[in-house]
Amino acid sequence: QITLKESGPTLVKPTQTLTLTCTFSGFSLSTSGVGVGWIRQPPGKALEWLALIYWDDDKRYSPSLKSRLTITKDTSKNQVVLTMTNMDPVDTATYYCALHHLLNYNFDSWGQGTLVTVSS
Amino acid sequence: QSALTQPASVSGSPGQSITISCTGTSSDVGGYNYVSWYQQHPGKAPKLMIYDVSNRPSGVSNRFSGSKSGNTASLTISGLQAEDEADYYCSSYTSSTTPVFGGGTKLTVL
Repeated sequence: QITLKESGPTLVKPTQTLTLTCTFSGFSLSTSGVGVGWIRQPPGKALEWLALIYWDDDKRYSPSLKSRLTITKDTSKNQVVLTMTNMDPVDTATYYCALHHLLNYNFDSWGQGTLVTVSS
Repeated sequence: QSALTQPASVSGSPGQSITISCTGTSSDVGGYNYVSWYQQHPGKAPKLMIYDVSNRPSGVSNRFSGSKSGNTASLTISGLQAEDEADYYCSSYTSSTTPVFGGGTKLTVL
């Protein structure tokens, strides 16, 4: 059974750096073709893809947020970490991590999401 | 990369069929057969319903089907049921080797 769970702060102040951890089970991030992605959703708004990291440590970032994002993996701990710098109230959103398959280019398993509020 | 274009809302009565469109460009939807669709109920995580334009993951009802013509992909739900009421998002691979999501469509079952 595949599970993913996001963890991190629920409240961050403007200009701070957000660090989110995705802890997963049921698959290995060392398996060819496997990746983990981060997607966010502001309240009442659409999904927005943020970043992807693959089994071979290849990384992809949203062009509009690339300068603020860093994604890393710890295969031994089954974790993927996303950092986002210079947080702003518009970054308030539910942040999801999801299992990505390069072969079919989809996100077929998702975490429950974690709501991050940016406010002073 | 711009978000894919979806209608904000669609509606239908139980038993009817509805279609949700997802319009992109030749750099995403039109250029690759990597379109997927996600269903999201309020307060829940998205669920993959269609991948590779028209394939259903195991466990997804065959009432859900996908297709593509040119730069526009479509999700069709037949035999509409109350439980189908949700938000639906399309997604596509892009020439930038990154994914892009659509703006989402709210499906109301009348």
